[in-house]
Amino acid sequence: AQSVSQHNHHVILSEAASLELGCNYSYGGTVNLFWYVQYPGQHLQLLLKYFSGDPLVKGIKGFEAEFIKSKFSFNLRKPSVQWSDTAEYFCAVNPGAGSYQLTFGKGTKLSVIP
Amino acid sequence: GAVVSQHPSRVICKSGTSVKIECRSLDFQATTMFWYRQFPKQSLMLMATSNEGSKATYEQGVEKDKFLINHASLTLSTLTVTSAHPEDSSFYICSARSIREGSDEQYFGPGTRLTVT
Repeated sequence: AQSVSQHNHHVILSEAASLELGCNYSYGGTVNLFWYVQYPGQHLQLLLKYFSGDPLVKGIKGFEAEFIKSKFSFNLRKPSVQWSDTAEYFCAVNPGAGSYQLTFGKGTKLSVIP
Repeated sequence: GAVVSQHPSRVICKSGTSVKIECRSLDFQATTMFWYRQFPKQSLMLMATSNEGSKATYEQGVEKDKFLINHASLTLSTLTVTSAHPEDSSFYICSARSIREGSDEQYFGPGTRLTVT
């Protein structure tokens, strides 16, 4: 069974700082990779996803993620965070090949200080 | 984007009673919906996959007789927690799979907080 590890439980940054949230997965086959965001009091929303092709994926709100197959990683980045990026971020995978079931990491809470 | 609603958003029930949670896709049809459970400071754990018109597929360790899932229409799936116990207290989240305009994506509901006393 696949698993997803998110290394940081809580990250605190000042506005304009750069962000990188780590995500590693364990699964030997082809995977689809996702980052979801949950703003306070709101439901999960898709930030970006990787199915195939260019391993550098650009998502909404200036976020991007890079799939490094050799490292089983899919780290999320943003060059300059804003206070409005304060949220919880979840990395998720599914094994593709017609499976739509997601396995989530434990999430990383991001707090951005104005 | 597509919208998924859940009802109720919060429910408190007594031990031994049953609780039904609804998940609706408001502006699209969903042949597949998913039910997750989230404990505090933990990730979402997939409980079951709900397919319209057929039996749900449960993940290992999830009691299908305790967590009854019905997906009677293309826009509604329900999760009934039967004979609830305090350890069933949790945050239950559903998602619905939307296939349209070349995109295949899951949309999540806002979740239901269940407290069993």
